[in-house]
Amino acid sequence: EIVMTQSPATLSVSPGERATLSCRASQRVSSDLAWYQQKPGQAPRLLIYGASTRATGIPARFSGSGSGTEFTLTISSLQSEDFAVYYCQQYNNWPPELTFGGGTKVEIK
Amino acid sequence: EVQLVESGGGLIQPGGSLRLSCAASGFTVSDNYMSWVRQAPGKGLEWVSVIYSGGSTYYADSVKGRFTISRDNSKNTLYLQMNSLRAEDTAVYYCARGILTKWELLEKWGQGTLVTVSS
Repeated sequence: EIVMTQSPATLSVSPGERATLSCRASQRVSSDLAWYQQKPGQAPRLLIYGASTRATGIPARFSGSGSGTEFTLTISSLQSEDFAVYYCQQYNNWPPELTFGGGTKVEIK
Repeated sequence: EVQLVESGGGLIQPGGSLRLSCAASGFTVSDNYMSWVRQAPGKGLEWVSVIYSGGSTYYADSVKGRFTISRDNSKNTLYLQMNSLRAEDTAVYYCARGILTKWELLEKWGQGTLVTVSS
């Protein structure tokens, strides 16, 4: 099983600042990496796939990078609506299986 | 409008069975990849199962042999039959639709239904 590790567990950021979230895979997953945002009481929302492609309707302030085992989600200038938990997810498996990281909570500093 | 509405959650004793439903509107379940993902209270996301448009099914090791994913094309509804339930199955269960060509990219989610396994 591929294990996904996210850091930090909590990130305290002021509105308007940049946030950088990390995700590490226990083995290479190529660029088969997605990021999701989840707000309290809501279902997750797909932000990024293919490590760096924004999903439909996702603002340009969200960007993803990395390949292999190391990945980064960057939020260039945090808006109030961006305070949430972010999960990475790998999908480089056969037989089919998805694994998620433990999440990074982005909170207001 | 594309919508997914889960139902069927509740309190169930360990060892019991429950069937979750996910009613879809705005698209055809059988033409899409459909997954179940769960989230234990205060915890992260865990993928549970997927059914391909062609009918193939796959499961997480943690539920293999106990859970069954299926769909009813006439009702445009996805199901998750859960047997031999354990305390560790307690979670909010979400159904989700994959992007047309990539089942792994979960682009549309329901609001979730809570399953509590406890005596």
